[in-house]
Amino acid sequence: DIQMTQSPSSVSASVGDRVTLTCRASQGISRWLAWYQQRPGKAPRLLIFAASTLQSGVPSRFSGSGSGTDFTLTISSLQPEDFATYYCQQGISFPHTFGQGTKVEIK
Amino acid sequence: QVQLQESGPGLVKPSQTLSLTCTVSGASFSSGSYYWNWVRQHPGKGLEWIGCISHSGTTYYNPSLQGRVTISIDTSKNQFSLRLSSVSAADTALYYCARNYGSGSDFWGQGTLVTVAS
Repeated sequence: DIQMTQSPSSVSASVGDRVTLTCRASQGISRWLAWYQQRPGKAPRLLIFAASTLQSGVPSRFSGSGSGTDFTLTISSLQPEDFATYYCQQGISFPHTFGQGTKVEIK
Repeated sequence: QVQLQESGPGLVKPSQTLSLTCTVSGASFSSGSYYWNWVRQHPGKGLEWIGCISHSGTTYYNPSLQGRVTISIDTSKNQFSLRLSSVSAADTALYYCARNYGSGSDFWGQGTLVTVAS
């Protein structure tokens, strides 16, 4: 199985901050990576697919980059509704493993 | 608008089989472009991919569940189902169904909590 490792496990930030989250795959996954946002009590929401393509309806302050084993999700200017947990998921081979998540908390 | 809705018992006894159904509306269920997924989340923990099925019935499962999982599909009812056998307290979780088009899961159900207890 491909292991997905996210860092940091949590980050404290303020509204307006630029935040960068990292996801690393245990082997190359090309650009088969998705990012999700999960707010408390809600289902995950797809933000980014194919490493850098913004899902329809997702604000442009979210961006993704990377290929191979190293990927990043950047929130250019953190908004109050962005405080949530973010997960990456690889889609190149089954099982489609998730990272353990990064919680973005209010500073 | 695509909608997914999980249904099934909220309480299952240890050693029994957990059975959930996901009903899909607003989507072409017979499209070959999608995989229909089950994902779970233990209380306060991260997401765990359980498995998926294509419209033609091809299945993929997480080996970590050690052969206890079966996913089936009924295209006539726009439903797909999860069966997890020999459950224990470790299977207590929030279970989600989701549509995946290969690059990501774009539509999710609201989730259903299943508790394993006697």
